[in-house]
Amino acid sequence: GAGVSQSPSNKVTEKGKDVELRCDPISGHTALYWYRQSLGQGLEFLIYFQGNSAPDKSGLPSDRFSAERTGGSVSTLTIQRTQQEDSAVYLCASSQKRSGHQETQYFGPGTRLLVL
Amino acid sequence: DQQVKQNSPSLSVQEGRISILNCDYTNSMFDYFLWYKKYPAEGPTFLISISSIKDKNEDGRFTVFLNKSAKHLSLHIVPSQPGDSAVYFCALSGGSNYKLTFGKGTLLTVNP
Repeated sequence: GAGVSQSPSNKVTEKGKDVELRCDPISGHTALYWYRQSLGQGLEFLIYFQGNSAPDKSGLPSDRFSAERTGGSVSTLTIQRTQQEDSAVYLCASSQKRSGHQETQYFGPGTRLLVL
Repeated sequence: DQQVKQNSPSLSVQEGRISILNCDYTNSMFDYFLWYKKYPAEGPTFLISISSIKDKNEDGRFTVFLNKSAKHLSLHIVPSQPGDSAVYFCALSGGSNYKLTFGKGTLLTVNP
């Protein structure tokens, strides 16, 4: 079966422009996560979607960041008015979330964003 | 403040020997512990996990040890192989908090 896929794999943009990053989770996985990894840092949680519940946006660094998940599957992370400090690898993960169980998160290859 | 620390940025071992990667945490609410491996230009790949009710979990060449009193987690790889060369991250979650909190990673180099 296919793993988590992300597009584009690389994105170069100019400061101030908006970008959209896409994630296709593993089929059947109800939970979807976005993380980012800045240079020399560990992965930093951004946002979490679980089924039809309201997303947990507590990790989003500013109101320039938003994400949506359509039809419980594909997710888009949008960064408005990009800044140079937004340059990072943006990683998406999915898992089968079952009540009372911790589930392993499986990651996509990431989108490398460079803001000039 | 860093809740999860991997104090060794890099580790170099000889092929066939044991690799020991360490991870320390501060929050006693963490109860699920994972190790991921990451090659350049790829996403992290799940390796092995352990829940707080255990102190050891083994899968082939990989063993994870958990010392809850010391808030310390380690990954043992034996025997190490050149293909194991990668960055290893520990990742922790706790209770109903599904988010993973990652360490900064340790670059393992296994020399032939």
